[in-house]
Amino acid sequence: GGIITQTPKFLIGQEGQKLTLKCQQNFNHDTMYWYRQDSGKGLRLIYYSITENDLQKGDLSEGYDASREKKSSFSLTVTSAQKNEMAVFLCASRRGDQDTQYFGPGTRLLVL
Amino acid sequence: GMPVEQNPPALSLYEGADSGLRCNFSTTMKSVQWFQQNHRGRLITLFYLAQGTKENGRLKSTFNSKERYSTLHIKDAQLEDSGTYFCAAETSSGQKLVFGQGTILKVYL
Repeated sequence: GGIITQTPKFLIGQEGQKLTLKCQQNFNHDTMYWYRQDSGKGLRLIYYSITENDLQKGDLSEGYDASREKKSSFSLTVTSAQKNEMAVFLCASRRGDQDTQYFGPGTRLLVL
Repeated sequence: GMPVEQNPPALSLYEGADSGLRCNFSTTMKSVQWFQQNHRGRLITLFYLAQGTKENGRLKSTFNSKERYSTLHIKDAQLEDSGTYFCAAETSSGQKLVFGQGTILKVYL
């Protein structure tokens, strides 16, 4: 078995602030993902990475940067937080291209 | 239209009832996953299918790539089945999942 951890669990930021979210997995999975979920909605892909130092844009990449520093970790940066923004950011990982994605517990963002 | 259309948006069931959820795809998908999101927001993987049918306890899922749909059937619904269910399909071109909008399921006594 393995686990995906996301830090922090809750993140409160100010408008215009740069905010970084972190994700770690010990599955030894190749591919990692960042999704955004707004209240009552489905998940939308922000960035994904198929191996260390790789980066692929999803449908929602504008306003975000990402970094795959090593195989086990994938971080996401909100480049300029938007006032009244509220969402959950979910990290996921997967072994290959024919396997299940496993999700972390999420980081809840609130921008004041 | 939406690449993944999920129905119904909401579903209310009495304990012990059976029901189904469905996702239709606008294009041929490589695989589908079904998730349950609990009240804490945690996504739990229920099924991964590249084709055919899988069963796990009271849950059964089918994926028909050619006909572009997938279903999730819940038998003998229990209170703990309440939550939001998502289907997510992988396009043939890449490793990305496209999510449906979810079905909010409430099970009552």
